[in-house]
Amino acid sequence: SAVISQKPSRDICQRGTSLTIQCQVDSQVTMMFWYRQQPGQSLTLIATANQGSEATYESGFVIDKFPISRPNLTFSTLTVSNMSPEDSSIYLCSVEVPKAIYGYTFGSGTRLTVV
Amino acid sequence: DAKTTQPNSMESNEEEPVHLPCNHSTISGTDYIHWYRQLPSQGPEYVIHGLTSNVNNRMASLAIAEDRKSSTLILHRATLRDAAVYYCTFAGGTSYGKLTFGQGTILTVHP
Repeated sequence: SAVISQKPSRDICQRGTSLTIQCQVDSQVTMMFWYRQQPGQSLTLIATANQGSEATYESGFVIDKFPISRPNLTFSTLTVSNMSPEDSSIYLCSVEVPKAIYGYTFGSGTRLTVV
Repeated sequence: DAKTTQPNSMESNEEEPVHLPCNHSTISGTDYIHWYRQLPSQGPEYVIHGLTSNVNNRMASLAIAEDRKSSTLILHRATLRDAAVYYCTFAGGTSYGKLTFGQGTILTVHP
């Protein structure tokens, strides 16, 4: 299965600032996914990022708040913009392993605290 | 959107089998049923997936109801390392690329 490196693993940020989270995969993948996991909650899909096209956002998430880049088939970034304490969550990236033999692989997540 | 329903929590003793149920009455005919588990401070880990037939791998077995409206994840001999939150989700078909997570089941394993 694919191996995902996600950075940073955690951060504490001031409200009003932005944080960019990086996701690096050790193999080429078509689709990359970004999820949010609020404290004590399940995962919610933020957006799907395909290389060479605009990301597709789920209901309740907008590009101005969560801009995503996908410059190549192994890398993506998610920016959390103009942060507020409500953005304190774990953010995870995920990829689909080719042929779905092993399903989807997740990074270890970025634990964000906004103060 | 497709939706799954799971018990909030379950308990088991070490080395006993565990059956984790999931209801997914709105699943489409082409959606695969996936199971993931999440240990504290880690991302979800793939466990198993299937479409219609029961599936086995080194981690678990997946029993899928004939009408596909429910499934059961079976851990044949629970260990302390199996204590985690278990999520039943869909992927593929009409929800290609999109995993919709329910609230999951917190599994506690007692020594």
